Amino acid sequence: KAGVTQTPRYLIKTRGQQVTLSCSPISGHRSVSWYQQTPGQGLQFLFEYFSETQRNKGNFPGRFSGRQFSNSRSEMNVSTLELGDSALYLCASSMLRDTSYNEQFFGPGTRLTVL
Amino acid sequence: SQQGEEDPQALSIQEGENATMNCSYKTSINNLQWYRQNSGRGLVHLILIRSNEREKHSGRLRVTLDTSKKSSSLLITASRAADTASYFCATSVMNYGGATNKLIFGTGTLLAVQP
Repeated sequence: KAGVTQTPRYLIKTRGQQVTLSCSPISGHRSVSWYQQTPGQGLQFLFEYFSETQRNKGNFPGRFSGRQFSNSRSEMNVSTLELGDSALYLCASSMLRDTSYNEQFFGPGTRLTVL
Repeated sequence: SQQGEEDPQALSIQEGENATMNCSYKTSINNLQWYRQNSGRGLVHLILIRSNEREKHSGRLRVTLDTSKKSSSLLITASRAADTASYFCATSVMNYGGATNKLIFGTGTLLAVQP
């Protein structure tokens, strides 16, 4: 079974631009979550989707948005990029609706650099 | 914001020795999970312990959970150079607003195993 895939793996953008990152979950997984990892703030939860609905959102500005498609693939978008948005963006997929009893599987991440 | 702290921040040991890292968290949880991350790559799930469990084993890993102290520990026995990585605890918190797969991560422990 293929793992979680994220594209692109590396991205370089300049301030003010926007970016779209993509995540394909493991086949059969309906839950997709996004995390931002930076040296200063560590791993921070961005948002979570289940069956095309956003169930949870972290404490990030409205410039960060996402969506999930009917095939469970997910995209996240960051508009008006700032230097501080440079980070590793990780996507995780999960089979079940609730994490009480299940693990999450992470993709390799997209390394975004904002110049 | 992060759920808790991990201790120590960094740990250097020799191959064959045991490594112990600790995690503290703040709120009631459904479960606590440990993940490994190799040098800025994706996270690999190691083990999940539910809130009603006190100890769990998986190969060379032993995890304990003390919900009264809101703390957990991860023990890696007979460490190998390949265990060199960052280790994160992550909590699945009680969400009274509904089901969620959101995880809150600790600050991480950087483990270096010297050959």
